[in-house]
Amino acid sequence: EVQLVESGGVVVQPGGSLRLSCAASGFSFDDYTMHWVRQVPGKGLEWVSLISWDGDTTYYSDSMKGRFTISRDNSKNSLYLQMTSLRTEDTAFYYCAKDRASNGEWTFEYWGQGTLVTVSS
Amino acid sequence: EIVLTQSPGTLSLSPGERATLSCRASQSVRSRFLAWYQQKPGQAPRLLVYGASSRATGIPDRFSGSGSGTDFTLTISRLEPEDFAVYYCQQYGSAPRITFGPGTKVDIK
Repeated sequence: EVQLVESGGVVVQPGGSLRLSCAASGFSFDDYTMHWVRQVPGKGLEWVSLISWDGDTTYYSDSMKGRFTISRDNSKNSLYLQMTSLRTEDTAFYYCAKDRASNGEWTFEYWGQGTLVTVSS
Repeated sequence: EIVLTQSPGTLSLSPGERATLSCRASQSVRSRFLAWYQQKPGQAPRLLVYGASSRATGIPDRFSGSGSGTDFTLTISRLEPEDFAVYYCQQYGSAPRITFGPGTKVDIK
């Protein structure tokens, strides 16, 4: 059974930094592109970032580029999102998601339950 | 960036009825790279359809997707009680600029 478990969401002040983690199990983690998707409570979905199976290719939404860094450790079956210069508008649930296809189709087949990041003074 | 518009915003139907949800793109979606997701309160989204019309693993056949270019449809042939939820479309044809629609809420009439 595929499981994705996010952690690291806390309350942080504007301008602060935070690192989210996602522990994956139940599939060959190092075969799949992985994503972060966020959702402001009660609002819609927004894609954040992706990383290829080997970590060599990363992409970011324009609104996060330069502030967020995605990374992975295939030896630990783990995905990360380093977030800096946080803004109040970054307040959201952050979901870790597994790509549907091993070659990176960029659809989200499995999702974690999300971790809440609150940016507030 | 491709902007997705979903209609209606809310669809009020009874169990057993047919639901037709629309997703319109601001420009043509390459190769029908359009997906649909279902989200229930307090839960993560679930992939229903990819490639505009291919059902994801384990998705019942009452869910079907269609369309191409700028107009796409998700149809639920007969609503079951567990189908009342919010539905999002997502385009990945202009990846890495992946975008979602604002969602359609299907609620019980």
